[in-house]
Amino acid sequence: GESVGLHLPTLSVQEGDNSIINCAYSNSASDYFIWYKQESGKGPQFIIDIRSNMDKRQGQRVTVLLNKTVKHLSLQITATQPGDSAVYFCAENIGGSARQLTFGSGTQLTVLP
Amino acid sequence: EPEVTQTPSHQVTQMGQEVILRCVPISNHLYFYWYRQILGQKVEFLVSFYNNEISEKSEIFDDQFSVERPDGSNFTLKIRSTKLEDSAMYFCASRPGTSGTPLAKNIQYFGAGTRLSVL
Repeated sequence: GESVGLHLPTLSVQEGDNSIINCAYSNSASDYFIWYKQESGKGPQFIIDIRSNMDKRQGQRVTVLLNKTVKHLSLQITATQPGDSAVYFCAENIGGSARQLTFGSGTQLTVLP
Repeated sequence: EPEVTQTPSHQVTQMGQEVILRCVPISNHLYFYWYRQILGQKVEFLVSFYNNEISEKSEIFDDQFSVERPDGSNFTLKIRSTKLEDSAMYFCASRPGTSGTPLAKNIQYFGAGTRLSVL
């Protein structure tokens, strides 16, 4: 039968430019958020995380911004490189003692030479 | 650098057969997880495991699924009677749970996954 999958949002950027990947989360009670990068055939790789009591957090070439008012996360990548090409997922911890993650649908980032 | 390892990388099975997917979480981590990702779809939570018991499970994790930590290093997911719709990538993850910063103890580290193909 026909398989149905999600149509991933895509973002294409020139090498060296900055990238901004956006994510809307679902639960206003979520207190922890995390960005993962997934390359083809691999598992999600941790990039950066943030708690709900923070608005911004910076890592190496990446910054995560959290706007709780509109339940929005963004991941900014500075000076995007070819190796940054991947699917990027945001995930939230909705609750529960196990702190399991609920993933968004992902954005395909393509870095053009 | 410590990593979560999963075996096999690809498992092919006939519908109705039992499969066991294996994971070795990062040493000293306390929380263990299984997630799955059907081709082209989101990563979905299946089950979490802490202190030798299931702490949370999703609707997907029905009676056909079970998890076990048979020794101090392995963490397994068993599907008793596989269905066609069980075909997916299955990811194991672990997190520290204690020590480190409040953020660091919550980071879940994922393995490379096992691709399960049910024929």
